Amino acid sequence: AAGVIQSPRHLIKEKRETATLKCYPIPRHDTVYWYQQGPGQDPQFLISFYEKMQSDKGSIPDRFSAQQFSDYHSELNMSSLELGDSALYFCASSLVTGHNTGELFFGEGSRLTVL
Amino acid sequence: AQKVTQAQTEISVVEKEDVTLDCVYETRDTTYYLFWYKQPPSGELVFLIRRNSFDEQNEISGRYSWNFQKSTSSFNFTITASQVVDSAVYFCALKSDSRGYNKLIFGAGTRLAVHP
Repeated sequence: AAGVIQSPRHLIKEKRETATLKCYPIPRHDTVYWYQQGPGQDPQFLISFYEKMQSDKGSIPDRFSAQQFSDYHSELNMSSLELGDSALYFCASSLVTGHNTGELFFGEGSRLTVL
Repeated sequence: AQKVTQAQTEISVVEKEDVTLDCVYETRDTTYYLFWYKQPPSGELVFLIRRNSFDEQNEISGRYSWNFQKSTSSFNFTITASQVVDSAVYFCALKSDSRGYNKLIFGAGTRLAVHP
């Protein structure tokens, strides 16, 4: 079965650069979530989208933005990168509409390193 | 407010020992889901189990078992006869409401080291 696809899997950037992470949810899933996991930390919720509209917002810095496109894929844009942005970024998708549990299925993560 | 507490930061055992990972949660919702995820050194989050708030039956899957007790707001995870491959960080997580956009809230994780 198709899973959540994230790209790139690894990304190295310099401070103050910009990075874009992409997430392709499981087909027919209508909700996408972004999480950030720093070294030795638990995953922290950043933002989510339901049917291409922002549905919830967590501890996402103002330097970050995200959107969900008409094909349901999502992109997380990170600007003015800081050393502290180095983390594993997870995308998850779920099917919320209808009689569903809304269980989240996670991608394998994108590891961002800021030098 | 929702919160998940995993009081054990690190656990170290010798192979074949049984080990229990504790998880305590807080939520005011009557409908919620509890999860356990495994994160091996490779980094991916591996789904282990989901339990809804209306189902307090304990579950066993091979060497894994889960004890859900609403009275104590706990959802503990036991690995029987641990193996080196069980070494990973284990996260307990809570999702309130059976539907909706509600996000998953993670505990801080418990790092399990199983030594030969």
